[in-house]
Amino acid sequence: DVKVTQSSRYLVKRTGEKVFLECVQDMDHENMFWYRQDPGLGLRLIYFSYDVKMKEKGDIPEGYSVSREKKERFSLILESASTNQTSMYLCASSPSEGQMNTEAFFGQGTRLTVV
Amino acid sequence: AQKVTQAQTEISVVEKEDVTLDCVYETRDTTYYLFWYKQPPSGELVFLIRRNSFDEQNEISGRYSWNFQKSTSSFNFTITASQVVDSAVYFCALSERVRGNQFYFGTGTSLTVIP
Repeated sequence: DVKVTQSSRYLVKRTGEKVFLECVQDMDHENMFWYRQDPGLGLRLIYFSYDVKMKEKGDIPEGYSVSREKKERFSLILESASTNQTSMYLCASSPSEGQMNTEAFFGQGTRLTVV
Repeated sequence: AQKVTQAQTEISVVEKEDVTLDCVYETRDTTYYLFWYKQPPSGELVFLIRRNSFDEQNEISGRYSWNFQKSTSSFNFTITASQVVDSAVYFCALSERVRGNQFYFGTGTSLTVIP
């Protein structure tokens, strides 16, 4: 079974802190994604990566950065956490068939609260 | 512009009723995938189905069925004889044939099945 593991289920951080959210997948998938989920807004893409050291901005990259030094690991960084970044963060990975993403496999989510 | 639209924000049905969740998508690609995911209260998104743009056959899996119609750009999901365990948020998603592409998710439909 594909496993996508996020380092924390719940996290509480203070405003201004640098926050690292870690995501690891064990199926050698090329593609990895970070989404945030807020009520009424669905899943919004923050960043994604289709190869090691490659990254692409999603719809809402402001205030975030990412790192993908190894294929299995994709980190989301909040440079200076703010209260409007309180949210559920979801990591996903997917393999490619040709140029197509097949289905995304999701981690269990990290509920981040910034106080 | 929203690539995937789920117009129904919340639906409530009584157990054993049938319910259809609507999904309308927008793409200029001729090759794409469509997906449905379920997010139960535990939070982790669970993959339900993937559909290739070249395959318009309807699919049935137990109480679940999917109706894909390219003419109306719709990929609707029907649950027959709903059960309380079907209560969840359901997301429709689209993936296009572009390297480094992303998944486009709808805003989700929250289904509550009342016993």
